[in-house]
Amino acid sequence: DAGVIQSPRHEVTEMGQEVTLRCKPISGHNSLFWYRQTMMRGLELLIYFNNNVPIDDSGMPEDRFSAKMPNASFSTLKIQPSEPRDSAVYFCASSYRRELNTEAFFGQGTRLTVV
Amino acid sequence: AQSVAQPEDQVNVAEGNPLTVKCTYSVSGNPYLFWYVQYPNRGLQFLLKYITGDNLVKGSYGFEAEFNKSQTSFHLKKPSALVSDSALYFCASPTSGTYKYIFGTGTRLKVLA
Repeated sequence: DAGVIQSPRHEVTEMGQEVTLRCKPISGHNSLFWYRQTMMRGLELLIYFNNNVPIDDSGMPEDRFSAKMPNASFSTLKIQPSEPRDSAVYFCASSYRRELNTEAFFGQGTRLTVV
Repeated sequence: AQSVAQPEDQVNVAEGNPLTVKCTYSVSGNPYLFWYVQYPNRGLQFLLKYITGDNLVKGSYGFEAEFNKSQTSFHLKKPSALVSDSALYFCASPTSGTYKYIFGTGTRLKVLA
């Protein structure tokens, strides 16, 4: 398997524009996570899906952020409108969750810069 | 509140010397503890995990970690460091009863040639 695939790897956009980040999880995995990484706040869990259903979105910073998982092989994280403070690296991770001790596999991330 | 702490922002070690990256935890119940490594411009990679049983856990790339319940620690170790081990290391644990990981703040390991 190619692992978790994220696109784009880099995104530069102007404030106010809509940004869509994409993720293809590992085939067969039933859980998907979106994380944000910044120097100031470290790794933050934004949202967690299990079997394509959002289970916990308490980490989504505000209504400008939305995430979808229309099927088991694809998820999107959308920011509309984007703001400079959204600049960060966004990671998608997937796992096959049966127990709490299952590790997650991370994509290479999307580096978002909002100017 | 449950937490995972990495007390050192950075650890420097000479190549060939043993290395230790520290992690302490405060979680309820039996802890599940993980170590991940992040190389520059890459995502996190799983190194090893403690579930139950043997307190010494062996993982990828020659790393191991020692679970110490009395000290609530899960330190990452390697007998002989390589320059290629230089990276950012994260300790993590799922919050009780959920699949939501708590990540430590990360420790940057620099192995000097």
